Amino acid sequence: GAGVSQSPRYKVAKRGQDVALRCDPISGHVSLFWYQQALGQGPEFLTYFQNEAQLDKSGLPSDRFFAERPEGSVSTLKIQRTQQEDSAVYLCASSFGGVEETQYFGPGTRLLVL
Amino acid sequence: AQKVTQAQTEISVVEKEDVTLDCVYETRDTTYYLFWYKQPPSGELVFLIRRNSFDEQNEISGRYSWNFQKSTSSFNFTITASQVVDSAVYFCALSGENSGGYQKVTFGTGTKLQVIP
Repeated sequence: GAGVSQSPRYKVAKRGQDVALRCDPISGHVSLFWYQQALGQGPEFLTYFQNEAQLDKSGLPSDRFFAERPEGSVSTLKIQRTQQEDSAVYLCASSFGGVEETQYFGPGTRLLVL
Repeated sequence: AQKVTQAQTEISVVEKEDVTLDCVYETRDTTYYLFWYKQPPSGELVFLIRRNSFDEQNEISGRYSWNFQKSTSSFNFTITASQVVDSAVYFCALSGENSGGYQKVTFGTGTKLQVIP
């Protein structure tokens, strides 16, 4: 079946603009994760959903970052009033759930804030 | 707190050489999971292997092999007879049992491998 898909693949935003990044997880995957990957670094955890419930948002860097998964499938990561330091690749991953399960990643959205 | 250290930032090898990527981890959990992911230039993280803390058997998959040693908190990855297609950034990662029942993964900073033809 299809893997995790993300859109757009690239996004250029002017500082202060709002952006919305979409993630379509693998069908049937209960868990969904968002990560931020700065240039030359490993991915860093942002937030976690189990179905539609956002159970952990401890990694969101500021209150300008907001994520939702209203029907337990597609998720959107929204960044309000973007800043240059928000420039990064945003990765989405999904899994069947549970500590032992493997996360499968999408191709990421590369965000550049000018 | 969990930590993953990949001390090798970049490695260059000539095709057909063997190469080992090092990974050292820190965790207070007794049950934990270790992973390796490959990130080619396209950007997508490709899952390679998962190991739980109770299984110290080394694993081989084709040209890939992994050496898990709890005594030294290491989970090293060896590519035998490297090929140009192996060129990528490789990430070691860790998740622990105390993550609230879900997998909160900590990644290392990655090792960029360049295989020269």
